[in-house]
Amino acid sequence: SQTIHQWPATLVQPVGSPLSLECTVEGTSNPNLYWYRQAAGRGLQLLFYSVGIGQISSEVPQNLSASRPQDRQFILSSKKLLLSDSGFYLCAWSTGTGDHYEQYFGPGTRLTVT
Amino acid sequence: GQNIDQPTEMTATEGAIVQINCTYQTSGFNGLFWYQQHAGEAPTFLSYNVLDGLEEKGRFSSFLSRSKGYSYLLLKELQMKDSASYLCAVRDEDYQLIWGAGTKLIIKP
Repeated sequence: SQTIHQWPATLVQPVGSPLSLECTVEGTSNPNLYWYRQAAGRGLQLLFYSVGIGQISSEVPQNLSASRPQDRQFILSSKKLLLSDSGFYLCAWSTGTGDHYEQYFGPGTRLTVT
Repeated sequence: GQNIDQPTEMTATEGAIVQINCTYQTSGFNGLFWYQQHAGEAPTFLSYNVLDGLEEKGRFSSFLSRSKGYSYLLLKELQMKDSASYLCAVRDEDYQLIWGAGTKLIIKP
């Protein structure tokens, strides 16, 4: 069965500090991978998605970046965090084939920028 | 622009039935999803509709009318554990998911 891991679970970082969040998927190959951010009481905002190694599409211009160094690894980074980067960060995966393409989410990282 | 509308919050009684509505305006349509999200947790997949009609899965059913840009999630025999947010998402012509802000469902005993 497939499993998706995210770490850390919670993170408190000062403004201007760097960020690295990691997501890995097990039990599937060549998944589509996604990074979302969810502000308190809001819907999911798609940040980045990837259909393969080294292929990253950005949905929202901001001070975040993403990389996919391996097939089942997806990393979200920032060189300098802003207060507005606080939120619940979710990694998700889906298969690239099939009718449903439903996305499965990792446990999330709650980031507080102080 | 693309838009998904859901009520912000609903309250229902344990054992009752509740219907959560979702209306959408998107560039193209390739399916509609419902997810459940408990507070502080990640969303989990509930249902998928791509054709008009009702899909039933145990206590949960989801309905779609593509001509009206409308869906609803029906929850029967409500249990306290059903207290959560319910997210509606539509897959657009580029196969990207457009998400609603979610409906917070409060179950009272």
